[in-house]
Amino acid sequence: EAQVTQNPRYLITVTGKKLTVTCSQNMNHEYMSWYRQDPGLGLRQIYYSMNVEVTDKGDVPEGYKVSRKEKRNFPLILESPSPNQTSLYFCASSWGLAGGRNTQYFGPGTRLTVL
Amino acid sequence: AQTVTQSQPEMSVQEAETVTLSCTYDTSESNYYLFWYKQPPSRQMILVIRQEAYKQQNATENRFSVNFQKAAKSFSLKISDSQLGDTAMYFCASVAGGTSYGKLTFGQGTILTVHP
Repeated sequence: EAQVTQNPRYLITVTGKKLTVTCSQNMNHEYMSWYRQDPGLGLRQIYYSMNVEVTDKGDVPEGYKVSRKEKRNFPLILESPSPNQTSLYFCASSWGLAGGRNTQYFGPGTRLTVL
Repeated sequence: AQTVTQSQPEMSVQEAETVTLSCTYDTSESNYYLFWYKQPPSRQMILVIRQEAYKQQNATENRFSVNFQKAAKSFSLKISDSQLGDTAMYFCASVAGGTSYGKLTFGQGTILTVHP
């Protein structure tokens, strides 16, 4: 089944404890992206990647890191989480960005709480 | 830069009736794409419908259709014969097809409740 998977689905952690949220897609998509969803703000892009070893900042990159060493994986790293990073996180992927290839498919979401 | 605005935080409709969700956007790009995503209580983001800006014809997907008014920068979603399973938050989104591609810009969302 074609899908985007994220782990963990739920995470409660404490301020300053490094964490990684994994994202993997099995559709051979070139483009991957991370978003956070907060009430009243919709979804905002954190980082995106056009291909392996190619990443760029979105609207709210502060406090996050990403890497794209393999095409299928795009982990989100919080080196020192803070309470304002409590949010619902989504990973998404698409074949590309041109023409009909830019429809993004989303993972199930990760609910992160930073105490 | 792109912006997307959904001015209706909440909407409700009776089962089997028709409802329209509003969305306006702003972009400096000539080539862009517009989307409606549905987020049910499961939180999964599900693509509802997609519109290419260079196409005049409004997109349709079964009971879902859009009214794309390019000059007015308006992209509303019409849901016909509403069903209980349509209860969800709906997000309007846009992405540029040119040099600023890479960012899907979302509106704030509209919570739709379908009543039996």
